[in-house]
Amino acid sequence: RKEVEQDPGPFNVPEGATVAFNCTYSNSASQSFFWYRQDCRKEPKLLMSVYSSGNEDGRFTAQLNRASQYISLLIRDSKLSDSATYLCVVTPYGGATNKLIFGTGTLLAVQP
Amino acid sequence: DAGVTQSPTHLIKTRGQHVTLRCSPISGHKSVSWYQQVLGQGPQFIFQYYEKEERGRGNFPDRFSARQFPNYSSELNVNALLLGDSALYLCASSLATGGGDTIYFGEGSWLTVV
Repeated sequence: RKEVEQDPGPFNVPEGATVAFNCTYSNSASQSFFWYRQDCRKEPKLLMSVYSSGNEDGRFTAQLNRASQYISLLIRDSKLSDSATYLCVVTPYGGATNKLIFGTGTLLAVQP
Repeated sequence: DAGVTQSPTHLIKTRGQHVTLRCSPISGHKSVSWYQQVLGQGPQFIFQYYEKEERGRGNFPDRFSARQFPNYSSELNVNALLLGDSALYLCASSLATGGGDTIYFGEGSWLTVV
């Protein structure tokens, strides 16, 4: 079983739509949680951190459910510029590293 | 300020050859990590170095090695290249280690093995 699992998509949505991505992780001791965005042939960039209390940044809302080991990302009012791959990321518990464990990514294509 | 810089940006190698990839972290950052991203997959952790010491190693064969220099720059070396080593190799830097720091990625080195 993969440590972080995501639906690879693609998700094809019209501009203005609301889209939700889900992710599950296998290690209940995972420590930190993130969503990264990766444009085609570019490096991943941090979109937002994810907390149990939920957090919102403009049109983006992220949520963590530790009991279910489930992470979500909601994008409201989709823009063409939101088209990218969204990577779910966790970090392992403890240790002296800041290793990131990535899911395979979910491809979003926003259509005009 | 310069971000994480990697070189070369693109390269083509033949099976069995050796490759060296280079990374300069953001000024002031002491931790460098390397990731391999195969097409259609998320990045996979290869190594982390902090203060010139290896702090973490992913599930990669011994053909992969790395080091960090006194100026905190880093090299990733891959010996006896296989076709399956074709990937985007990403370098990431952060201030320190142990979690909690924001991690910044370079634009990567695209390696094609033929």
